[in-house]
Amino acid sequence: DAGVIQSPRHEVTEMGQEVTLRCKPISGHDYLFWYRQTMMRGLELLIYFNNNVPIDDSGMPEDRFSAKMPNASFSTLKIQPSEPRDSAVYFCASSLRAGIDTQYFGPGTRLTVL
Amino acid sequence: AQTVTQSQPEMSVQEAETVTLSCTYDTSESNYYLFWYKQPPSRQMILVIRQEAYKQQNATENRFSVNFQKAAKSFSLKISDSQLGDTAMYFCAFMNPQGASGSRLTFGEGTQLTVNP
Repeated sequence: DAGVIQSPRHEVTEMGQEVTLRCKPISGHDYLFWYRQTMMRGLELLIYFNNNVPIDDSGMPEDRFSAKMPNASFSTLKIQPSEPRDSAVYFCASSLRAGIDTQYFGPGTRLTVL
Repeated sequence: AQTVTQSQPEMSVQEAETVTLSCTYDTSESNYYLFWYKQPPSRQMILVIRQEAYKQQNATENRFSVNFQKAAKSFSLKISDSQLGDTAMYFCAFMNPQGASGSRLTFGEGTQLTVNP
């Protein structure tokens, strides 16, 4: 299996621009997670989906952030408008089942907002 | 809410030696899962080992083993015969399978391990 795939690996944008991060989970995994990693806050869960339905979005920082999962093999995390404080590494992870199975992480997207 | 604490921001070890990374957590739950992930300079988060709280036997994966002390809420990682490729940031993580946020991984602050030749 190719593992969790994320794109782009690096994104540099200017404040106010829209940013879209993409994720393809491991085939057959029903759960998809978006995490953010910063020096100040460490690794934190933003949102997760079960069978394409958002289950817990309590970690989404504000309305500028939105996530979708239109089908079982694709998810997006969008920031509009972006701000410098959104600069971070964003990870996507997937697992077979919730609460039991290991989450496997993608390589991450390093976002820099100037 | 659960918390995970890694009290050693940095550690170093000589190649071929053994090192132990510490992790403590706080929870009122009796059923949960604990993980160690490593993050090398490539930034990829890689699962090292996992432990189910209901299992008394400590998990092992080749050179990696844990010392799980449920009463003390302690979950340390022992790396034997350290290799240069073990150089990475190591994160301890907790997952409570119950409730609406049952799949949330709560991570510690991380321990940067450097293996010296």
